[in-house]
Amino acid sequence: DQQVKQNSPSLSVQEGRISILNCDYTNSMFDYFLWYKKYPAEGPTFLISISSIKDKNEDGRFTVFLNKSAKHLSLHIVPSQPGDSAVYFCAASASRDKIIFGKGTRLHILP
Amino acid sequence: GAVVSQHPSRVICKSGTSVKIECRSLDFQATTMFWYRQFPKQSLMLMATSNEGSKATYEQGVEKDKFLINHASLTLSTLTVTSAHPEDSSFYICSAWDQQGETQYFGPGTRLLVL
Repeated sequence: DQQVKQNSPSLSVQEGRISILNCDYTNSMFDYFLWYKKYPAEGPTFLISISSIKDKNEDGRFTVFLNKSAKHLSLHIVPSQPGDSAVYFCAASASRDKIIFGKGTRLHILP
Repeated sequence: GAVVSQHPSRVICKSGTSVKIECRSLDFQATTMFWYRQFPKQSLMLMATSNEGSKATYEQGVEKDKFLINHASLTLSTLTVTSAHPEDSSFYICSAWDQQGETQYFGPGTRLLVL
């Protein structure tokens, strides 16, 4: 039973445009959500997080939106840059314990 | 941000041998660390939660006798893959929450290849 779902295995976006990565979750106990960027053979790099008491968090080019009623969150990257090409993982946690990852979305930024 | 290191970064071993992987929190203390495994083109799967001073908590389907975890201090957790077999070849990553509980930081990972 997959508790964190990223239904798009890949996404291609033109450089300079907005990248929107989506994530859905099923466990209503999750109260903290994180996005990570990952390259092959490297550990995940933290990007941004959001607590369930908020519906938006912004950090530079990255914004995460949370819709609790829909159990959905999204990561917006604007403007997209070539260096953003990587696999992005959505992750969720209950009470800052273990975090559960989605399967990831591979983002390709096109020149 | 907080830094988590792992050693070694890669290891090749013969089938039947044991391999120890170290995970250290470099500039903060971590009473709890987490061990993940990632197979090629798959997600990160949580294996176990390492607890300082007590037994690790293993996820369903993970053999505790095969993957021994020792959390010897507030900055060090070790994962020992005992009697490794080729199917244990994978990318092993550890992590820990920072002291504010805002971010879970990951180590750079250890590539294990069992021949």
